[in-house]
Amino acid sequence: EAQVTQNPRYLITVTGKKLTVTCSQNMNHEYMSWYRQDPGLGLRQIYYSMNVEVTDKGDVPEGYKVSRKEKRNFPLILESPSPNQTSLYFCASSSYPTGPYEQYFGPGTRLTVT
Amino acid sequence: AQSVTQLDSHVSVSEGTPVLLRCNYSSSYSPSLFWYVQHPNKGLQLLLKYTSAATLVKGINGFEAEFKKSETSFHLTKPSAHMSDAAEYFCVVSSSYSSASKIIFGSGTRLSIRP
Repeated sequence: EAQVTQNPRYLITVTGKKLTVTCSQNMNHEYMSWYRQDPGLGLRQIYYSMNVEVTDKGDVPEGYKVSRKEKRNFPLILESPSPNQTSLYFCASSSYPTGPYEQYFGPGTRLTVT
Repeated sequence: AQSVTQLDSHVSVSEGTPVLLRCNYSSSYSPSLFWYVQHPNKGLQLLLKYTSAATLVKGINGFEAEFKKSETSFHLTKPSAHMSDAAEYFCVVSSSYSSASKIIFGSGTRLSIRP
């Protein structure tokens, strides 16, 4: 089954404690991205990757890091989380970043930073 | 530059009545337009997409949308609402020719269905 998986689904942590949210896709997609969803703001792109070892900032990259060492994996790293990073996070993949290509979304990770 | 505006943050209809969720877009190039649905505690799922073929696009679960270039709109409709349609809906614009390689999401419309 074609899918994007994320782990963990729920995470409660404290300010400053480094964390990683994993994302994996099994569709051999070259393009992957991370979004955060906040009420009334829709989805905002954090980082995206066009291919292995190629990453770039989206609209709200501050406080986040990513890496793309393998095509299927695109982890999101919060080196020093802060309460304003409390949000719902989605990983997505597609065969191409723009144009008529559907994005496939993971189930989401709800992060709470206290 | 690209942008997308969902004109209603919340729409409430009775079961069995028509649904209209409104979306206006702005794009410097020929856009691709999408509607995604997000059910509670779920990820986003594609409902339908417009890619410069037919202007009336049919999607899953009886939804359809019409691309109107003159009005820069891509409204989502359904003739008869079901309880299972209660969800958040996102209009999305994307352009193949955008150097920024960005996909722009609307802020979302929450659809409620009254019994």
